[in-house]
Amino acid sequence: KAGVTQTPRYLIKTRGQQVTLSCSPISGHRSVSWYQQTPGQGLQFLFEYFSETQRNKGNFPGRFSGRQFSNSRSEMNVSTLELGDSALYLCASSPGRGKGIYEQFFGPGTRLTVL
Amino acid sequence: AQRVTQPEKLLSVFKGAPVELKCNYSYSGSPELFWYVQYSRQRLQLLLRHISRESIKGFTADLNKGETSFHLKKPFAQEEDSAMYYCALSGSARQLTFGSGTQLTVLP
Repeated sequence: KAGVTQTPRYLIKTRGQQVTLSCSPISGHRSVSWYQQTPGQGLQFLFEYFSETQRNKGNFPGRFSGRQFSNSRSEMNVSTLELGDSALYLCASSPGRGKGIYEQFFGPGTRLTVL
Repeated sequence: AQRVTQPEKLLSVFKGAPVELKCNYSYSGSPELFWYVQYSRQRLQLLLRHISRESIKGFTADLNKGETSFHLKKPFAQEEDSAMYYCALSGSARQLTFGSGTQLTVLP
């Protein structure tokens, strides 16, 4: 099975711009979660999508949004970029069915730099 | 609120020595605990989860609810164990709360 893929791998933007990151989950996985990783804050949960619906959301401002398509692919959007948004954005997929949490399979991440 | 604490940012041990990576958590309900590992230039991957009660690559972790801990242990460290280790917790919501990570270096 192909792993989780994320595009682009690297991105440079300037303050005030917006950005869209993409994630393709493992085939058959219906849950996609997004995380932000920074040296100062570590790994922080952004949100989770399951069957095109946002199921969970972390404590991030409304500038961070996402969506999921019928093929389970997901996009994450950040509007009005700030310097502090520079981070590695990780996507993780899992089957997502039933109670509890399944093993999450992580992608390689998208490194976003905001200048 | 749920919180995971990994008190050691860096940990070095010699090859063949025992290793213990500490993890403490704060959660009012019954959590699911995990250890994730990231080897150099590889993606984050699951090492083990407490409900499986299994040993992976010689590592084990026992959930101690009294001490709210989930320490990762291996009796004899190998050089290939050098990596970044993250403890993570899942509460009632399907999201992972990660600790800050411990960089383990196994010296020859």
